[in-house]
Parts: sequence; structure tokens; C-alpha cells
Amino acid sequence: GAGVSQSPRYKVAKRGQDVALRCDPISGHVSLFWYQQALGQGPEFLTYFQNEAQLDKSGLPSDRFFAERPEGSVSTLKIQRTQQEDSAVYLCASRGDSRNSPLHFGNGTRLTVT
Amino acid sequence: GESVGLHLPTLSVQEGDNSIINCAYSNSASDYFIWYKQESGKGPQFIIDIRSNMDKRQGQRVTVLLNKTVKHLSLQIAATQPGDSAVYFCAELSRGSNYKLTFGKGTLLTVNP
Repeated sequence: GAGVSQSPRYKVAKRGQDVALRCDPISGHVSLFWYQQALGQGPEFLTYFQNEAQLDKSGLPSDRFFAERPEGSVSTLKIQRTQQEDSAVYLCASRGDSRNSPLHFGNGTRLTVT
Repeated sequence: GESVGLHLPTLSVQEGDNSIINCAYSNSASDYFIWYKQESGKGPQFIIDIRSNMDKRQGQRVTVLLNKTVKHLSLQIAATQPGDSAVYFCAELSRGSNYKLTFGKGTLLTVNP
């Protein structure tokens, strides 16, 4: 079956530009997560949605980062006025209802800010 | 060969050997653990999970061992193949959380043909 789909796969932005990253989770998955992964590091939690409700955004690095999931399926992570330190891979993951079930990840969007 | 997770992030083995990748965790409240495999340019891929009420769980060619006394998790891969070359992450979920999975730094496994 279809997994988590993310687009674009690669994004190059000039410093100060806004970017929008899209995530299409596994159909029927209630929970959706965004993670940030720096080179050579493990993924770091950014934010969590249960259906359309954003229940935790404590991992977002600054108020330039904004995520939404208006209809409880597709999600968008938006970064305003990008900075070089925003360069990373942004991973989206989804999960079914059970707490003790693994997250299923997409292949990520590699963002490079020049 | 053996890796001590965070301290020795690279493990190199010969094809056909068994691999052991280790992970130390610090949160005694963690009660659910997952191993992920991440190949270059891809997202983390689920391998196997274990709950804290278990000490061992086996999958296809993989075994996860959990030692709660010393807060240690290991992933054993039998008959390692070149396709197993990747970065392996352990991740933990705290009993107090329903969702915030915390990842370790990862171990790079290289399989030599």
C-alpha cells in the first residue's frame, strides 16, 4: 500500500524566502508528526497532530515555523524568512490509533538555504 | 563486532557475520522502544519494536534485547548482508507520553562483501 509521501524531495531557498513542505500521510492514520533531521543526527521532534488538531508544537524552533493539517489528512510545514540554520531534512511520519505502534516515515524533504 | 551506540557510531562487519548494535537510554520511564533503519536519502524504516514488559523479541533475521536494569537496548542482525548497510537508530517512548518518540544518535553499519 502507499506509504507517507512528501514533496518536494529537495528544496533550495535563498535566505529570507518562505517555503512550504507537504506531507501526505498513510490513509486513515490519525496521528501525524514532523521531525527535523540535521546531517549525521537522529530526527528531532517538531510537532504533532491528532486529526486536524495540533496538540504539541513545542519542538518548532521559532515562530517562523508553522504547521497545519486543516482537514486531518494532508499537512503542510511552512517556514518563513528562511535562515541558513534551517537547512536540514524535514521528515513527516504518521501512525494509527495505537500508542504502541511505530511511526511510518516519508523520505523527507531536504531543505538547503543559501 | 559490537558497537557501543553513541560512543562508537560506526560498525563494520563482514558479509555473513552477525551484527550487534547497541543503544543506551537514560529515561527509566521509557516503556516502548523501536529500531529504525535509515538508508542514504531515505526516511527511517521500521525494523522491530519491543515493549518494556518483554526482554526479547524476534523478527526475520533480527532480534531486539531489552535490559531495563541497565537501560540498554540491542539489535542483533543475523547473517548480515550488504543490503543491511545503513544507519540504525533506536527510539524510545516515555510512559508519560502518547506520542513523543525520542531518537538516539544512530550507528552506521557497513557490511563488507
